[in-house]
Amino acid sequence: TQLLEQSPQFLSIQEGENLTVYCNSSSVFSSLQWYRQEPGEGPVLLVTVVTGGEVKKLKRLTFQFGDARKDSSLHITAAQPGDTGLYLCAGGAAAAGNKLTFGGGTRVLVKP
Amino acid sequence: DTEVTQTPKHLVMGMTNKKSLKCEQHMGHRAMYWYKQKAKKPPELMFVYSYEKLSINESVPSRFSPECPNSSLLNLHLHALQPEDSALYLCASSPSGVQAYEQYFGPGTRLTVT
Repeated sequence: TQLLEQSPQFLSIQEGENLTVYCNSSSVFSSLQWYRQEPGEGPVLLVTVVTGGEVKKLKRLTFQFGDARKDSSLHITAAQPGDTGLYLCAGGAAAAGNKLTFGGGTRVLVKP
Repeated sequence: DTEVTQTPKHLVMGMTNKKSLKCEQHMGHRAMYWYKQKAKKPPELMFVYSYEKLSINESVPSRFSPECPNSSLLNLHLHALQPEDSALYLCASSPSGVQAYEQYFGPGTRLTVT
């Protein structure tokens, strides 16, 4: 069984501060997705990383896939209240077919 | 267009009612999914349809019955639900093949069973 562990579970910061969310596994994934979900809404896909060591940037968000494709991180620079939400990582593996393995989620609160 | 739509947005039903949730996508995706999500938890996979055929059923109780009328539509028929089935029900779609992991979610249906 593949597992993804996210840390921290909850993060509360002031506007303008930086934050990093981690997603770790003992298993290798073919790809890793990051989603942001606001209360009462569905998860919104932010990025997909597929190559070990890959770094992708989306405005103030930086995503990294570990060299061994077992872990990933999401770094937000100068966080804004609009970054508040539940961040989910999800991994895909060929052996699992269409099934994604979700991390437990990190709730981020950015206070103005 | 990366939009997946779901109706209704909210649904309240009694334990003896029959209702249906609907999902639609026009991205040409050939895989569609139903997930259940409880508060503060990640989504839990229920069903996967691939090319309009049911490919994965995660041992979901028979009171949930999925249907895929065509490649753009996905329904979830509900009958004799229990209060513990109250949750956010999410539909998702993805391309087939190597991009199957890139799933796009709808806004969800908030279901309350009374």
